Amino acid sequence: RKEVEQDPGPFNVPEGATVAFNCTYSNSASQSFFWYRQDCRKEPKLLMSVYSSGNEDGRFTAQLNRASQYISLLIRDSKLSDSATYLCVVNMFSGGYNKLIFGAGTRLAVHP
Amino acid sequence: NAGVTQTPKFQVLKTGQSMTLQCAQDMNHNSMYWYRQDPGMGLRLIYYSASEGTTDKGEVPNGYNVSRLNKREFSLRLESAAPSQTSVYFCASSEIWGPRAEAFFGQGTRLTVV
Repeated sequence: RKEVEQDPGPFNVPEGATVAFNCTYSNSASQSFFWYRQDCRKEPKLLMSVYSSGNEDGRFTAQLNRASQYISLLIRDSKLSDSATYLCVVNMFSGGYNKLIFGAGTRLAVHP
Repeated sequence: NAGVTQTPKFQVLKTGQSMTLQCAQDMNHNSMYWYRQDPGMGLRLIYYSASEGTTDKGEVPNGYNVSRLNKREFSLRLESAAPSQTSVYFCASSEIWGPRAEAFFGQGTRLTVV
């Protein structure tokens, strides 16, 4: 079983739609969580961190459920510019080291 | 505002050739990473270095070696390239402590082994 699993998509949605991505992780000792965004043929960039209480950044909302080892990302009022691959990332902090483990990514395509 | 710089950006190798991918960061980060990304596989960790002088294997280390030359630089070496190593390689860096271990990535090296 992969350490971080995501639905690969693609999710094809119209502009203005709300879309949700899910991610599960296998190691209960994981300590911190992130969503990264990757545009085609570019490097990944941090979209937002995910906090235990859930957090929001404009149209983006991230949720964490430690008991179920589950992370989600909700995008409201989708824009064409949201089209990208969204990577779920888990920080496996052990032995004093941060080791970031990436999911395979979920592809989003927003159309007019 | 260089951040993380990787060289080269593109490379074509013949099977059996060797090469070194260079990575340097100017953010004074302790941790550095090498990932490879293949279609449908996401990023897979090859090696990481928690601090200067230390390196450790990640998920897919076979066929690679690394050197943490100093705090800024972390290189990845392919001693005898194989077609299975055709991939996009990303170097990244982050702070070693704290929950917010945001990783900053270089622009990637697109490697083709023929």
